[in-house]
Amino acid sequence: GNSVTQMEGPVTLSEEAFLTINCTYTATGYPSLFWYVQYPGEGLQLLLKATKADDKGSNKGFEATYRKETTSFHLEKGSVQVSDSAVYFCALNVIGNQFYFGTGTSLTVIP
Amino acid sequence: DTGVSQNPRHKITKRGQNVTFRCDPISEHNRLYWYRQTLGQGPEFLTYFQNEAQLEKSRLLSDRFSAERPKGSFSTLEIQRTEQGDSAMYLCASSSGTGRAYEQYFGPGTRLTVT
Repeated sequence: GNSVTQMEGPVTLSEEAFLTINCTYTATGYPSLFWYVQYPGEGLQLLLKATKADDKGSNKGFEATYRKETTSFHLEKGSVQVSDSAVYFCALNVIGNQFYFGTGTSLTVIP
Repeated sequence: DTGVSQNPRHKITKRGQNVTFRCDPISEHNRLYWYRQTLGQGPEFLTYFQNEAQLEKSRLLSDRFSAERPKGSFSTLEIQRTEQGDSAMYLCASSSGTGRAYEQYFGPGTRLTVT
């Protein structure tokens, strides 16, 4: 079946620290991979995506590379800011139907 | 493009009552999805429409749940005889259904509390 496993949180980092949130997946087909972010009190927002192996998605300083050999899509940012505090969800989509989400990783960045 | 909107944003109801939520997708999007999100979990798929046709339903969607999308525009999700276990955030998303990525754009959600 299709599923996503992501690193459990919560994660607390100091401002300007390096961030990695791990995400691995299983899929019956050839999935597209996504990271969504949910800021406090807001809806899910697409952060970045990758549609094929070795693609790198990037946005707002965040990056993730689609690794088919390790079935992973880890999220990274070189220097986090307080404004990055949010819940991050890894997700996959196969043939355009439903999304399969991970359980989310809560990130808190302290000044 | 005003984004996906959902109404109401919050709903408190007593067990056994019926509730209905509305979702207005991005206007040019032909696909519409409903998800449920409980505290500390990721969204779980409930159902989706392509235009007015309901193409897939999750086993999470018990017979107390019904969704419609008349005329392929807005959608409603009704829960009959609500139970405390129905308390959750109900999310709507829409997609243009074109391109390989099939990005979904989410609304702010309707938070349901069943007392």
